[in-house]
Amino acid sequence: EAAVTQSPRNKVTVTGGNVTLSCRQTNSHNYMYWYRQDTGHGLRLIHYSYGAGNLQIGDVPDGYKATRTTQEDFFLLLELASPSQTSLYFCASRMETEVFFGKGTRLTVV
Amino acid sequence: GDSVTQTEGPVTVSESESLIINCTYSATSIAYPNLFWYVRYPGEGLQLLLKVITAGQKGSSRGFEATYNKETTSFHLQKASVQESDSAVYYCALGENNYAQGLTFGLGTRVSVFP
Repeated sequence: EAAVTQSPRNKVTVTGGNVTLSCRQTNSHNYMYWYRQDTGHGLRLIHYSYGAGNLQIGDVPDGYKATRTTQEDFFLLLELASPSQTSLYFCASRMETEVFFGKGTRLTVV
Repeated sequence: GDSVTQTEGPVTVSESESLIINCTYSATSIAYPNLFWYVRYPGEGLQLLLKVITAGQKGSSRGFEATYNKETTSFHLQKASVQESDSAVYYCALGENNYAQGLTFGLGTRVSVFP
């Protein structure tokens, strides 16, 4: 079973703060994704990548940067966090037709 | 773009009752996308419940089943007799042949099963 591990699981930061969410997958999948989950919106794609050093923009990229340092590691960066970025964030990796998700990071920006 | 519409929750059912969560889809660049149901239990990430990649086929898992209906562009999830452990959020999703951008998800339906 593919494993996707996110850290931290919970994070509280202040407005204007700098936050990095981490994601590691252990199966060398090419594609990795960052989503946010909000009530009334479902899962929305922020950024994705198809390999180390690659970055693609998703549907809601504003205020977020991402970096794929290795095949395994994909980071989401919020350099000036805002309360509107309070959300549940999911990382995922994909192999063919199946997408594997991490357990999520709950971020609160106060 | 692609879209998925599913039953708005929350849905409350009693144990041993039947459950149906409606899902309809619209795919812009392919007639027959791949269809999925994911489930998220409390404190967990989304996990695949079932998938169907061929129109007209039925998928099943853990007592749940869903049939890919291309005429009505629907993929409803059903279970004849739910258990308390089925309490979760259920997501319908579609993916096109080029999966580069991953899947398009519905809003999710929270289901609570009471004993």
